Amino acid sequence: KAGVTQTPRYLIKTRGQQVTLSCSPISGHRSVSWYQQTPGQGLQFLFEYFSETQRNKGNFPGRFSGRQFSNSRSEMNVSTLELGDSALYLCASSPGSGEYGYTFGSGTRLTVV
Amino acid sequence: QKEVEQNSGPLSVPEGAIASLNCTYSDRGSQSFFWYRQYSGKSPELIMSIYSNGDKEDGRFTAQLNKASQYVSLLIRDSQPSDSATYLCAVTGTGFQKLVFGTGTRLLVSP
Repeated sequence: KAGVTQTPRYLIKTRGQQVTLSCSPISGHRSVSWYQQTPGQGLQFLFEYFSETQRNKGNFPGRFSGRQFSNSRSEMNVSTLELGDSALYLCASSPGSGEYGYTFGSGTRLTVV
Repeated sequence: QKEVEQNSGPLSVPEGAIASLNCTYSDRGSQSFFWYRQYSGKSPELIMSIYSNGDKEDGRFTAQLNKASQYVSLLIRDSQPSDSATYLCAVTGTGFQKLVFGTGTRLLVSP
């Protein structure tokens, strides 16, 4: 059974640009969450989607947005990139509501220069 | 006050010893509790989950939960150098939709 797949693995972008990250959950998983991990802040929750609906959102500016498609695949977009957006972005999936935990993908390492 | 607190460590133990990792949380409505292991440069891996007060054992790992004290712990028996990693405590509240993570405890197991 394939795990959570995130693409691309690495990205280098310039300040002011925008970026889109992709996540394919484990087959059958309908819940997808996104997290930002930095050395200083640890793992911070961005948002969670279930059946194409955003059910929960963290405390990030509106530059961070996401969506989920009917096949449960999800994308995350960051507009007007700032240096502080450099981080590891992790996607995680769960069969339903997450009470049994989430399985993480390998992440996308974003560097903003 | 942080929602989930962990000592950042490092916690150093010799091979074969018991490693004890601790976590406290602030939301009394929290319902599910998890321990993730993260090796350097890798993504978090779920190793234990616990939902009710008491102990839960899985191989060398034991998770302990005390909801009255808002305290979760992870014991690793017969620690191995391969256990050296950062251990992240995570908690969900009502609805289970959002995992709140502690900043993690770095464990170093020396041969």
